[in-house]
Amino acid sequence: EPEVTQTPSHQVTQMGQEVILRCVPISNHLYFYWYRQILGQKVEFLVSFYNNEISEKSEIFDDQFSVERPDGSNFTLKIRSTKLEDSAMYFCASSEGSRAQYFGPGTRLLVL
Amino acid sequence: RKEVEQDPGPFNVPEGATVAFNCTYSNSASQSFFWYRQDCRKEPKLLMSVYSSGNEDGRFTAQLNRASQYISLLIRDSKLSDSATYLCGGGGNKLTFGTGTQLKVEL
Repeated sequence: EPEVTQTPSHQVTQMGQEVILRCVPISNHLYFYWYRQILGQKVEFLVSFYNNEISEKSEIFDDQFSVERPDGSNFTLKIRSTKLEDSAMYFCASSEGSRAQYFGPGTRLLVL
Repeated sequence: RKEVEQDPGPFNVPEGATVAFNCTYSNSASQSFFWYRQDCRKEPKLLMSVYSSGNEDGRFTAQLNRASQYISLLIRDSKLSDSATYLCGGGGNKLTFGTGTQLKVEL
């Protein structure tokens, strides 16, 4: 069964450093998403991406965040200058249009 | 009012019990609704889509009531392996989730 994959599974970084989280969406899906979940809190939408551009983003997704589809398979989330409060689990998801979204296993980011 | 609200639980039920969760949403423009299951420190896994006509998959039944803006999930004959947090999510281009309802099925 096709699935979304994410790397790395864990990332520890120093405050102020840049991090890139990587995702490989399900191959025939055209819509891609990033969500985050701070420990003990709900899953929060960050950004959606379709046709090589951002289609919607939340207030959390400020200028420190960017997304890119550098090739035909990868979808990345970059945080330019990490803050302590960026520590969370980051989930990538993909979908066929407005159908259900399928989530990857997540990257646990810890900012020290 | 929160966009999506769920009773956080926990719901502690014996094995074999029937348990029902409700979820209310405030955005009447939301187009699609889903139930996801999330195990501790894991990703949300799609359980089922939710339709106004109702949707049944084995022991699980989901229902959408657009007039009252709520979504329900019924689990029959609950198993120990059903213990998890159940998230309802709705939206169009993005999904807005509730905080989740924790279910613990006990012997």
